[in-house]
Amino acid sequence: QVQLVQSGAAVKKPGSSVKVSCKASGDTFSNYPLSWVRQAPGQGLEWMGDIIPLFAEPNYAQKFQGRFSITADESTSTVSMELSGLRFEDTALYYCARGSIEGAVRYSLDYWGQGTLVTVSS
Amino acid sequence: EIVLTQSPDTLSLSPGERATLSCRASQSVSNRFLAWYQQKPGQAPRLLVSGAFIRATGIPGRFTGSGSGTDFTLTISGLEPEDFAVYYCQQYGASPLTFGGGTRVEIK
Repeated sequence: QVQLVQSGAAVKKPGSSVKVSCKASGDTFSNYPLSWVRQAPGQGLEWMGDIIPLFAEPNYAQKFQGRFSITADESTSTVSMELSGLRFEDTALYYCARGSIEGAVRYSLDYWGQGTLVTVSS
Repeated sequence: EIVLTQSPDTLSLSPGERATLSCRASQSVSNRFLAWYQQKPGQAPRLLVSGAFIRATGIPGRFTGSGSGTDFTLTISGLEPEDFAVYYCQQYGASPLTFGGGTRVEIK
């Protein structure tokens, strides 16, 4: 059984950066895409980007290009995201989620982390 | 990018009734690469259906996905108390992955 365990909640000042990690266990880590999806309070889901750890080449939604990065560490089965230049509207739950198709660039999301609340507050 | 529009925003039904949720795409979704998720308060989304009609592991048979092209439907036949939640569609036929705005199924 695949499990994705994310790091804890964070409170950040506007303009600062936040890093959230996602540790995978239970199945092959390297070959499956790992996405980051966020959900603002009371809102819907928004895909931010992904990475296949084996290839280590992240893909980002255009909206986040330039201030969002995803990295993968195969030795610890951990994928991390960092969002910089934080704004109040970045306050959201950030989820990591595994793509259902090995090696794919487009996929559904079959396993999800528990979510990490990032609050941007002055 | 492909924009997904879900309707209705809210569906008010009683247990045992049938729920029909719609997801319309701004352009054709290739290979029927359309998924449905259920999200309950305080929980992460759960995959219900992928490939437009393929139920995920452990999903009850009352959940049925259908459709192709730009029009997709999730039908829940005989609502159980645990089915009252928010449902999202997601397309993966084209990059970037996109989600619909969600349909809330609430108890009437």
